[in-house]
Amino acid sequence: DGGITQSPKYLFRKEGQNVTLSCEQNLNHDAMYWYRQDPGQGLRLIYYSQIVNDFQKGDIAEGYSVSREKKESFPLTVTSAQKNPTAFYLCASMGSYNEQFFGPGTRLTVL
Amino acid sequence: GQQVMQIPQYQHVQEGEDFTTYCNSSTTLSNIQWYKQRPGGHPVFLIQLVKSGEVKKQKRLTFQFGEAKKNSSLHITATQTTDVGTYFCAGSLALIFGKGTTLSVSS
Repeated sequence: DGGITQSPKYLFRKEGQNVTLSCEQNLNHDAMYWYRQDPGQGLRLIYYSQIVNDFQKGDIAEGYSVSREKKESFPLTVTSAQKNPTAFYLCASMGSYNEQFFGPGTRLTVL
Repeated sequence: GQQVMQIPQYQHVQEGEDFTTYCNSSTTLSNIQWYKQRPGGHPVFLIQLVKSGEVKKQKRLTFQFGEAKKNSSLHITATQTTDVGTYFCAGSLALIFGKGTTLSVSS
């Protein structure tokens, strides 16, 4: 099946810990994105990558880091510098007609 | 910076009533996209509008892009319970999302 996978579905973290969220796609898309979703806030862009080994900051990049070593993979690290990391994190890739294909998301909770 | 405002934030309708959500940008958009997110799910792409004044239909859904390319609307005719969810507009090739309109439908 083609698509985007994110793991884990639920993630719990203690304060002060870094955590990495996985995002993999087998759609052969060049561009990939990370969004954060909070209740009533819509989707806010964290980072995006238009090609391997290149990425740009979105509106709320502080406290996050990414890498894009392979076309298929775009992992997001939530660092201890992120003040309010509890949120729903969505990864997406862009198709041929500029449409976004979203993964199922990872719900991160800081204990 | 560029902002995309969406109203209303919430809308409750009786099944069979119509529903409209509006999206307004502070700047001219090159294109606008609409997504639907079911409760507990992830956003799913519905449509992209590119041309000034463009109108597109998908069954009971009608999408419009304003003449000035600064606003857009999504209209659902005769809502059904399957229409429940949050509808988002997005500008700049999904780099900027509105906060969404959450639609609930009672039968």
